[in-house]
Amino acid sequence: KQEVTQIPAALSVPEGENLVLNCSFTDSAIYNLQWFRQDPGKGLTSLLLIQSSQREQTSGRLNASLDKSSGRSTLYIAASQPGDSATYLCAVKYDGQNFVFGPGTRLSVLP
Amino acid sequence: DTGVSQNPRHKITKRGQNVTFRCDPISEHNRLYWYRQTLGQGPEFLTYFQNEAQLEKSRLLSDRFSAERPKGSFSTLEIQRTEQGDSAMYLCASSPRTSASYNEQFFGPGTRLTVL
Repeated sequence: KQEVTQIPAALSVPEGENLVLNCSFTDSAIYNLQWFRQDPGKGLTSLLLIQSSQREQTSGRLNASLDKSSGRSTLYIAASQPGDSATYLCAVKYDGQNFVFGPGTRLSVLP
Repeated sequence: DTGVSQNPRHKITKRGQNVTFRCDPISEHNRLYWYRQTLGQGPEFLTYFQNEAQLEKSRLLSDRFSAERPKGSFSTLEIQRTEQGDSAMYLCASSPRTSASYNEQFFGPGTRLTVL
């Protein structure tokens, strides 16, 4: 069964800290992996998309890495801000057209 | 606004009633997806359209659920004889016409369904 897990489930940090969110997947035969942000009661906002042939992607203060062999991806957030507070979800695309989502990491950045 | 839109944003209904949700994808996107999300969980895939053809359906999509995309543009998701367990956020996403490996999905704001 293709499963995606995320650790930690929740994280609280003071403003300015660098932090790492983890995503693990059981089946390494992936097409790509996408990181999303979700604010309470809202839809998902795409942050970064990593193809299976790539090792990392960067956008502003965000950096996502992918290690297919170990079934892991990390999302690094530099110099965190209170506006970064949200739930962060990773989603893995396998053969077929659906994404398998993790349960998310709920991040709180304290001013 | 050229993003994915969904209507209504909120729906409260009584158990046993039928409800229908609408999704308008980004105009040049030929792929459309429906997901369901319950509190504290990630979205779960329901179904996928490429143009007007429904190509994949999850086992989560019971007989009471039906989805259509008649002209390959907007899509509707209908739930018949709603049950309290159907209460969830229903999310729609679309994806552009690209190779299968580059399937970045863009999500709408969701429709929150509450079944009383």
